[in-house]
Amino acid sequence: QKEVEQNSGPLSVPEGAIASLNCTYSDRVSQSFFWYRQYSGKSPELIMSIYSNGDKEDGRFTAQLNKASQYVSLLIRDSQPSDSATYLCAVNPLIKAAGNKLTFGGGTRVLVKP
Amino acid sequence: DAGITQSPRHKVTETGTPVTLRCHQTENHRYMYWYRQDPGHGLRLIHYSYGVKDTDKGEVSDGYSVSRSKTEDFLLTLESATSSQTSVYFCATAGGTNEKLFFGSGTQLSVL
Repeated sequence: QKEVEQNSGPLSVPEGAIASLNCTYSDRVSQSFFWYRQYSGKSPELIMSIYSNGDKEDGRFTAQLNKASQYVSLLIRDSQPSDSATYLCAVNPLIKAAGNKLTFGGGTRVLVKP
Repeated sequence: DAGITQSPRHKVTETGTPVTLRCHQTENHRYMYWYRQDPGHGLRLIHYSYGVKDTDKGEVSDGYSVSRSKTEDFLLTLESATSSQTSVYFCATAGGTNEKLFFGSGTQLSVL
């Protein structure tokens, strides 16, 4: 069983709508969680990090963490065509420790249609 | 953008030949990583380094070796390339107290 699971998609959303992405993880000791965005043919870039249960908002992005249920989600509000990309969930058992050995999910491809 | 350069950007090689991929960083980051990315598998860690001459294996290290003789350079070697090693390889770095990973542009490797 893969340690970090994501629906591969594609998740198709109309422009202006909310895109909701989910990620589940198997390691209960995981402490820090990340969302990376990867455009086709490009390298991943960090867009969100979350360490505590609850919501964390940054602009149009909201990360939600529920450690008891072992899932983390990403909401993209007012989706734009420029949000079309693959979103990678990553998990690390260490909290804010350097030298992360992140475990990545397979990614969810998001398509925002004008 | 973080100063991470991967070379070559593309390479085609034959089964059984040795291949070395280079990652060069100008950020003076302590931590460096090699990941491979394949459809349906996301990014998988091959090897990582905590500092000069300090390396360890990741989850898919078989068939790969690494070396780090200088802070700025992290080399990934496929001793005898196989078709299963056809993939996109990403180098990443992280600073001392910042958990954020910075990725290079990737190397597309095809083993025929």
